Amino acid sequence: EADIYQTPRYLVIGTGKKITLECSQTMGHDKMYWYQQDPGMELHLIHYSYGVNSTEKGDLSSESTVSRIRTEHFPLTLESARPSHTSQYLCASSTGVGNTIYFGEGSWLTVV
Amino acid sequence: AQRVTQPEKLLSVFKGAPVELKCNYSYSGSPELFWYVQYSRQRLQLLLRHISRESIKGFTADLNKGETSFHLKKPFAQEEDSAMYYCALSTSGGSYIPTFGRGTSLIVHP
Repeated sequence: EADIYQTPRYLVIGTGKKITLECSQTMGHDKMYWYQQDPGMELHLIHYSYGVNSTEKGDLSSESTVSRIRTEHFPLTLESARPSHTSQYLCASSTGVGNTIYFGEGSWLTVV
Repeated sequence: AQRVTQPEKLLSVFKGAPVELKCNYSYSGSPELFWYVQYSRQRLQLLLRHISRESIKGFTADLNKGETSFHLKKPFAQEEDSAMYYCALSTSGGSYIPTFGRGTSLIVHP
C-alpha cells in the first residue's frame, strides 16, 4: 500500500547523541519535506528535496541535515542532540506542481 | 513573499452551530490553496483544495481573490469535527513549496 513511513515513532535520547530519523515513501513522489511541529502549533519547514541529490533548507533554521540518495528515502540526522531539539518531526511528500502533500505519522523526539 | 494568516488560534462552538475558520493569504499571482486537518492521534491529512471545488465532510471553502481569503465553512458543526485545521498556500513564486498557517483548533461542544 502506498504510504509514508517514519521510524522511530517515539524516541528518548540523551544530550549529545547522534540520531537519524528515517522516512520512506512508496507513493512514487519526487518532492519530500521535513517539518518540525510542537503539539497543536504551527508547522515549520526545516528541509525539502525536489528529487535525488537535491536538498534545500527550509524557513526554520535547523541544526539537522538531510540526504536524498534514493527517491523513496529522505532521512534526517542530528549530529549532537540537545533538549531544544525536543519536538515532533513530520515527513511528507508530494508530486509536482501544487499538488497535495501526504504526511507520515511523525516521529516524537525527546532529548534529555 | 507568500504568507498565510489564520487569525484565530482557537474556535469553540456548540454542536449544530455554523463554523467558519478564517484564512487569508498574501500572494499577487494565482495561488493553490488547501485545508489540512489533524484529528486527535491521527496524521495530518488533506481536507479539501480550492481547485477541486468539492464539499468534504460538509465543509466547503471558496477562494476569494479580491479579499485574498480561503475561509473554511460548515453550516452545522459536529463533535467529530473537533480537530486542528491548517490552511496552506502553494504558488509558482514559491516553487510550489507549501506555506502553512499557524493552525486553528476547532472544539465542538455537545
